[in-house]
Amino acid sequence: AQSVTQLGSHVSVSEGALVLLRCNYSSSVPPYLFWYVQYPNQGLQLLLKYTSAATLVKGINGFEAEFKKSETSFHLTKPSAHMSDAAEYFCAVGSSASKIIFGSGTRLSIRP
Amino acid sequence: NAGVTQTPKFQVLKTGQSMTLQCAQDMNHEYMSWYRQDPGMGLRLIHYSVGAGITDQGEVPNGYNVSRSTTEDFPLRLLSAAPSQTSVYFCASSSTGTPDTQYFGPGTRLTVL
Repeated sequence: AQSVTQLGSHVSVSEGALVLLRCNYSSSVPPYLFWYVQYPNQGLQLLLKYTSAATLVKGINGFEAEFKKSETSFHLTKPSAHMSDAAEYFCAVGSSASKIIFGSGTRLSIRP
Repeated sequence: NAGVTQTPKFQVLKTGQSMTLQCAQDMNHEYMSWYRQDPGMGLRLIHYSVGAGITDQGEVPNGYNVSRSTTEDFPLRLLSAAPSQTSVYFCASSSTGTPDTQYFGPGTRLTVL
């Protein structure tokens, strides 16, 4: 069975500060891992995905995530937060197109 | 290329009423899914389809019905609405059987009184 846990339902950082959103997964098979972003009143859009190639994955808008098998983690980072990064972020793990499990989400707030 | 479209954007129902949420995609994707999003619970899979004529249940299928007569359309039917079905519903599509990028519609916000 697969599962994903996002640590922290709400994270607040200052503009220009490091963003770190945590995600841990459980999977009995090599996982596919995703980060999606949801802006208010919109659907989800893909930030980045890990599909067993490079362990450091670069996504859109300056975000990146590192796959650490030993820690079963896929944390999302961005060196310098921007006001436009305020949104909800979802980590997801999947073994097939029809079996993608989403985490409960982390709401990111940016302080001026 | 409109991507994934959903109608309506908002809907209010009374308990016991039925309705259909529409979903269409113009990317020729084989895989389509319906999710519901509730606060603090992320997205949960209701039903999915791996191609025209083929559907299967997800994590929370009770009270919902789906069909897939064409590649483009994947409607979700609420048979007898209940307050527990108050949620935001998202339709998504993807092109392959491997866990690839899912493209999401804008969502339908449903309230059941």
